[in-house]
Amino acid sequence: KAGVTQTPRYLIKTRGQQVTLSCSPISGHRSVSWYQQTPGQGLQFLFEYFSETQRNKGNFPGRFSGRQFSNSRSEMNVSTLELGDSALYLCASSLSGLAVTDTQYFGPGTRLTVL
Amino acid sequence: AQSVTQPDIHITVSEGASLELRCNYSYGATPYLFWYVQSPGQGLQLLLKYFSGDTLVQGIKGFEAEFKRSQSSFNLRKPSVHWSDAAEYFCAVGNSGGGADGLTFGKGTHLIIQP
Repeated sequence: KAGVTQTPRYLIKTRGQQVTLSCSPISGHRSVSWYQQTPGQGLQFLFEYFSETQRNKGNFPGRFSGRQFSNSRSEMNVSTLELGDSALYLCASSLSGLAVTDTQYFGPGTRLTVL
Repeated sequence: AQSVTQPDIHITVSEGASLELRCNYSYGATPYLFWYVQSPGQGLQLLLKYFSGDTLVQGIKGFEAEFKRSQSSFNLRKPSVHWSDAAEYFCAVGNSGGGADGLTFGKGTHLIIQP
């Protein structure tokens, strides 16, 4: 079974631009979560989607948004990029996100650099 | 709010020696606890998780962790490390097994293996 895939793997943008990152979960998984990883703040939860609905959201500004499609694929968008948005963005999928037997499987991440 | 502390930023261990990585958490209810490993350029891989029951949890790659409620700790151990264990290790706490409400991660411990 294929793992979680994220595209693109690397991205360079300039301040003020916007960016869209894509995540394809493991087949059959309906919960997709996004995390931001930076050297200073570590790993921080952005949001989680289940059945095309945002079910939970972390403490990030409204410039960070996401969506999930009917096939469970998810995208996250960052508008008006700032230098501090440079990070590794990780996507994780799980079956339902709620069951104790669920496991979150992480993708390799998208490395975003904002110049 | 929940939090996770990994007191050791770096740990250096000789190959074949035993390993213990420390993790302390702050959480109001019964926590779901996780240990993840991240190799350079890779996403996170789940090593083990604790929900309830036996406080000594076995994971993959020969790792184990012990949940101690009285000490709010969930330390990761391995009896004999291999050079391939060099990586970043993250302890995390969540409200649910699949992390639908987002995992709270520690800042990580960088493990260096000496030959």
